[in-house]
Amino acid sequence: NAGVMQNPRHLVRRRGQEARLRCSPMKGHSHVYWYRQLPEEGLKFMVYLQKENIIDESGMPKERFSAEFPKEGPSILRIQQVVRGDSAAYFCASSRGDTARSYGYTFGSGTRLTVV
Amino acid sequence: AQSVTQLDSQVPVFEEAPVELRCNYSSSVSVYLFWYVQYPNQGLQLLLKYLSGSTLVESINGFEAEFNKSQTSFHLRKPSVHISDTAEYFCAVSRRNRDDKIIFGKGTRLHILP
Repeated sequence: NAGVMQNPRHLVRRRGQEARLRCSPMKGHSHVYWYRQLPEEGLKFMVYLQKENIIDESGMPKERFSAEFPKEGPSILRIQQVVRGDSAAYFCASSRGDTARSYGYTFGSGTRLTVV
Repeated sequence: AQSVTQLDSQVPVFEEAPVELRCNYSSSVSVYLFWYVQYPNQGLQLLLKYLSGSTLVESINGFEAEFNKSQTSFHLRKPSVHISDTAEYFCAVSRRNRDDKIIFGKGTRLHILP
C-alpha cells in the first residue's frame, strides 16, 4: 500500500515559468493538505482540499498560486510565474477526513522547488 | 486561532544524554497535540500524539511527551539519545471536534554529538 506520493521530488524552474506539483493521496484518503517549508520557518499551511472542493485556502498567497483535487487523479498545486521567493519544499499530506484530528496526517516526501 | 511555539531552533546534546525539546501552544478551544519528526530529505512522520486520557504519551522509539494544560505545554523528552535521533522535530496542534488543519511550530533541530 503506497503512501502519499509526490512528484517530482525536485523541480527547477526559471523565473516566470509555471510549476506544477502533484500529490497522490494514500488509498482511501479523500482529504489533502498542502504545506510549504522554508528554512527556519517550519511548515506553513497553504490549503486543504477534499475531492473537487477547496475547504480552507487561508494559507494560499492571493496571486499566482492555485490548487485543485479533481474527482479523478492527483491533487495539483500550481504556481504561475514563479519567483525566487517561491523556492521551498512543498509537502502534501492526506487523511481520511474525520480521523485527521485523531490520527494526524500521512505526509509525502515533498517536492523541492528551486527557482533560478 | 491556534499557535505553536518551539523555543529552541537547535539543540545539541551528547549521545546517551537526556534531551528535552520544548513546545508551548495557545488556543481558545481544546486541542489535540502532536510531535512529528523529519529526517534529512524526507517528509514528516508522526512520532506521538495526545488526544485525551493520560497526559503522558510515548512513542515506540523511547520518546515521551507530557501534556500540561495549566502551562499549555507539550514538551518532548528522551532519557538517552542515539545518533539515529538526529532530525528535526515539529510540535503541532489542531482543534478538537473540528475537521481542521494541523498547525506546526517552526521546528527544533536535534544534533547528537559523539
